[in-house]
Amino acid sequence: DIQMTQSPASLSASLGETVTIECRASEDIYNGLAWYQQKPGKSPQLLIYNANSLHTGVPSRFSGSGSGTQYSLKINSLQSEDVASYFCQQYYDYPPTFGSGTKLEIK
Amino acid sequence: EVQLVESGGGLVQPGRSLKLSCAASGFTFSNYYMAWVRQAPKKGLEWVATISTSGSRTYYPDSVKGRFTISRDNAKSSLYLQMNSLKSEDTATYYCARRGNLNWFAYWGQGTLVTVSS
Repeated sequence: DIQMTQSPASLSASLGETVTIECRASEDIYNGLAWYQQKPGKSPQLLIYNANSLHTGVPSRFSGSGSGTQYSLKINSLQSEDVASYFCQQYYDYPPTFGSGTKLEIK
Repeated sequence: EVQLVESGGGLVQPGRSLKLSCAASGFTFSNYYMAWVRQAPKKGLEWVATISTSGSRTYYPDSVKGRFTISRDNAKSSLYLQMNSLKSEDTATYYCARRGNLNWFAYWGQGTLVTVSS
């Protein structure tokens, strides 16, 4: 199985800041990567697929980048509603596997 | 608006069975692969099963293969997960999800909690 290593595990940032979350795959996943946001007590919501494509309705302050084994999610102009856990997921190969998550809080 | 509503969760003893259901609306159900993804309490996400549009192809991770069965009824726009020989490690919130063009999960239900305990 492809292992997904996400960092940092937790992150505290101020409103208006830009934050970046990293995800590393154990092998090349050829941009087969998605990012999800899970707000407290809610189900996950898709943010990004194909490493850099924004899902319908997702604010443009979210962006994804990367290639090979290294990927990142960037959130510009951090807002209070961005408090959540963020997960990456590879779907290049079966089984689809997720990172362990990054918990984002407001400082 | 895409809506996925799970039901059927609850408390079950180890070794017993449980069947989850997911009612879909707001899209043409028969056009999409569907999946189940679970999340143990305070833990990460784990893919559980995927089914093709017709139901002819199903996919499982080793952790549930042979114990869980995913199925669908396109006439009823419904997805199911039959879980047999349940173990304590199957305790989780189970989410129904509509797959994207590839194996990402574009829309999720609100989840149903399954607790396996004696």
